[in-house]
Amino acid sequence: KAGVTQTPRYLIKTRGQQVTLSCSPISGHRSVSWYQQTPGQGLQFLFEYFSETQRNKGNFPGRFSGRQFSNSRSEMNVSTLELGDSALYLCASSLVRNVNTEAFFGQGTRLTVV
Amino acid sequence: AQTVTQSQPEMSVQEAETVTLSCTYDTSESDYYLFWYKQPPSRQMILVIRQEAYKQQNATENRFSVNFQKAAKSFSLKISDSQLGDAAMYFCALPVGGGSNYKLTFGKGTLLTVNP
Repeated sequence: KAGVTQTPRYLIKTRGQQVTLSCSPISGHRSVSWYQQTPGQGLQFLFEYFSETQRNKGNFPGRFSGRQFSNSRSEMNVSTLELGDSALYLCASSLVRNVNTEAFFGQGTRLTVV
Repeated sequence: AQTVTQSQPEMSVQEAETVTLSCTYDTSESDYYLFWYKQPPSRQMILVIRQEAYKQQNATENRFSVNFQKAAKSFSLKISDSQLGDAAMYFCALPVGGGSNYKLTFGKGTLLTVNP
């Protein structure tokens, strides 16, 4: 079956702009999480969605937001981009929200803010 | 708060030899799981191995095994007979929550180089 698909793979944006990233989870998976990966901070949790509701949120400013649709596809949006938002954004999906459940990751979206 | 620490930013190993990557963690949970994820240059994270905390037996997946020391809160990954394809970033991860605060907490990662 198809894996987690993230689009686009690469993005270059200018400071002050906004951006929307997309994630299509594995079919049947209802939990979608987003992570920001940078060389300095490593992998940091952004938020998690389950059944179209945000269930958990990491320590990021309100410029970072997301949503999940009825087909479990998810988008995240970053408004008023800053240089520090340059990162690899990873999406992960899992069947359920249990700690023993494997999270499957996409290949990520590389965002560069100039 | 749950934390995960990987103290080795980089490691290298000769092809066919064995390497051990270290991970320590802290959690207030009595029952939990631990994961090792591999991130190759293609960027897609892949689960390598998982360990259930209440199981005393160390998990093994082919050439990958763990040394889980619950009292010491240590969870190291051993790669035997290293292959060129093992070259990647390796992340130790602790899943937390399951209710309202489900997420994965990652260590900073260890970059493994495999020399031919």
